[in-house]
Amino acid sequence: TQLLEQSPQFLSIQEGENLTVYCNSSSVFSSLQWYRQEPGEGPVLLVTVVTGGEVKKLKRLTFQFGDARKDSSLHITAAQPGDTGLYLCAGADAGNNRKLIWGLGTSLAVNP
Amino acid sequence: SAVISQKPSRDICQRGTSLTIQCQVDSQVTMMFWYRQQPGQSLTLIATANQGSEATYESGFVIDKFPISRPNLTFSTLTVSNMSPEDSSIYLCSVDPGTSGGNTQYFGPGTRLTVL
Repeated sequence: TQLLEQSPQFLSIQEGENLTVYCNSSSVFSSLQWYRQEPGEGPVLLVTVVTGGEVKKLKRLTFQFGDARKDSSLHITAAQPGDTGLYLCAGADAGNNRKLIWGLGTSLAVNP
Repeated sequence: SAVISQKPSRDICQRGTSLTIQCQVDSQVTMMFWYRQQPGQSLTLIATANQGSEATYESGFVIDKFPISRPNLTFSTLTVSNMSPEDSSIYLCSVDPGTSGGNTQYFGPGTRLTVL
């Protein structure tokens, strides 16, 4: 069974601080996605990483896929209150059934 | 990407009754999924809704409790049957358009169910 460990589970920081969220597994994923969810909404895709070692940037967000495609990180620079939400990582199942393996999520609160 | 709508957005139901949740997509997609989520927590996959065949259920979920229909490539329903308070949750549908570059899923806004 593939598992995806996500940390930290909760994070409360002040506006302007930096933070990093991690997703780790002992399994290899063909791709990994990061989602952000606000209360009352469904998860919204932020990025998909496919290649080992890949780094993608989305404004103040930097996503990295580990060389072995077993782990990933999300780094936010100068966090703002609008970054508040639940961040979820999801790895593509090694099989060909297109299911995603989900991390437990990181609840981020950015205080003004 | 895909635009997904769900109905109802929320409901409060009595124990023992059933609720059918609808999921509509703005384009034809092969893969549709149904999830359950407690507020602030991660997603638990209930089943994969297959067009033209029975849904594929995950461990701990059975067809008698969560019957799923998938009559065409743009629509699916999930019924929560004989509800109990433990079924109170957010129910989400998602689609995977099957494009290259990763198993990306797009989500509906969810249905918040409260069972009294």
